Amino acid sequence: AQRVTQPEKLLSVFKGAPVELKCNYSYSGSPELFWYVQYSRQRLQLLLRHISRESIKGFTADLNKGETSFHLKKPFAQEEDSAMYYCAFRGGTSYGKLTFGQGTILTVHP
Amino acid sequence: DVKVTQSSRYLVKRTGEKVFLECVQDMDHENMFWYRQDPGLGLRLIYFSYDVKMKEKGDIPEGYSVSREKKERFSLILESASTNQTSMYLCASSWDRGGQYFGPGTRLTVT
Repeated sequence: AQRVTQPEKLLSVFKGAPVELKCNYSYSGSPELFWYVQYSRQRLQLLLRHISRESIKGFTADLNKGETSFHLKKPFAQEEDSAMYYCAFRGGTSYGKLTFGQGTILTVHP
Repeated sequence: DVKVTQSSRYLVKRTGEKVFLECVQDMDHENMFWYRQDPGLGLRLIYFSYDVKMKEKGDIPEGYSVSREKKERFSLILESASTNQTSMYLCASSWDRGGQYFGPGTRLTVT
């Protein structure tokens, strides 16, 4: 079965520290992977997708097919990065359906 | 800019009432989705639709139904609301590839 795992429900770091939010998936083919972010009282929004290989708000994520991972990283966390982060995955299914992880709440302390 | 709107931000209903949640998207997306979001459980797919009048069950369809009469509109129906359906409901739309675009959510409380 296709599955996405975010092992940390909560993650706390201090401002300026590096942050890594973990995401692992189970799928043998070529997946599409995404990170979504939800700031307090805002809608869920797409942060980045692996296919675009871009950096958004200082965040990057690299697809590692060998480890079936798509960890989200930022070298210097900011307080405004505090939010809920979801990893999402699409494994060959049609109709745009995504499988979401359970989410990680990131808190960046001043 | 993609816009997905939901009919209500907050809704309070009584047990046993029939509840309609509406979602409208303006990007001509084929696919539309209804999720519920609960602390510790993440996003769980209730139903999705890949075309007008076409629908498929998601992971937790029990107690819900959907309607898609027009491409831009996708409705979630709680036939007889129960307290365990108190939750945040999120609508999303997408093409077959690429990301999904989400509405602001409806926080439903069933008393």
